[in-house]
Amino acid sequence: GAVVSQHPSRVICKSGTSVKIECRSLDFQATTMFWYRQFPKQSLMLMATSNEGSKATYEQGVEKDKFLINHASLTLSTLTVTSAHPEDSSFYICSARALTGTYEQYFGPGTRLTVT
Amino acid sequence: GENVEQHPSTLSVQEGDSAVIKCTYSDSASNYFPWYKQELGKGPQLIIDIRSNVGEKKDQRIAVTLNKTAKHFSLHITETQPEDSAVYFCAASRHPGGYNKLIFGAGTRLAVHP
Repeated sequence: GAVVSQHPSRVICKSGTSVKIECRSLDFQATTMFWYRQFPKQSLMLMATSNEGSKATYEQGVEKDKFLINHASLTLSTLTVTSAHPEDSSFYICSARALTGTYEQYFGPGTRLTVT
Repeated sequence: GENVEQHPSTLSVQEGDSAVIKCTYSDSASNYFPWYKQELGKGPQLIIDIRSNVGEKKDQRIAVTLNKTAKHFSLHITETQPEDSAVYFCAASRHPGGYNKLIFGAGTRLAVHP
């Protein structure tokens, strides 16, 4: 149980284009989903927190117009990187917390974004 | 703001030895402390967690201890195996409120040598 998937696992896009990453909770409903960014050999950096049906809460320094988050249902959240630049190349990971007031947060397998 | 410090940054042990990773948190309101294992190119996997009303928790070869007074918690892996090699992250959060926002440590790269 508690499986979170991400799609795609890897994506290469050209500078200036947009790319969408999907995060799905496969066997539970997620009240809250989180998006992280991780650079090589570094820790996870929280970008934003999204709750189903409401606007995402972005961490300080994260551009909300560049990283668009939509939490359309209790099992799906999407992150769209708009007008991507090479410095946006990173490992993007989502996580989800179950509906039932538990504390545990389960992570997806990550998406490797490379902007050329 | 909340901060979690993790030590050591790298740890090398022989197969069969024990490994200990320590974390210190700053927010005394934190009450949930998970540990994650991350293998190369993969997402973090929850391996064990502890809540503030418990001082110790064990799951087979893995145990976590919590000292609320000192605001630190530790991961103990016994009888290490090569497949334990990975990066381990500690984290802290507070409940309720805060949307279960996890504050992560910097990570410990564990290498278990056969």
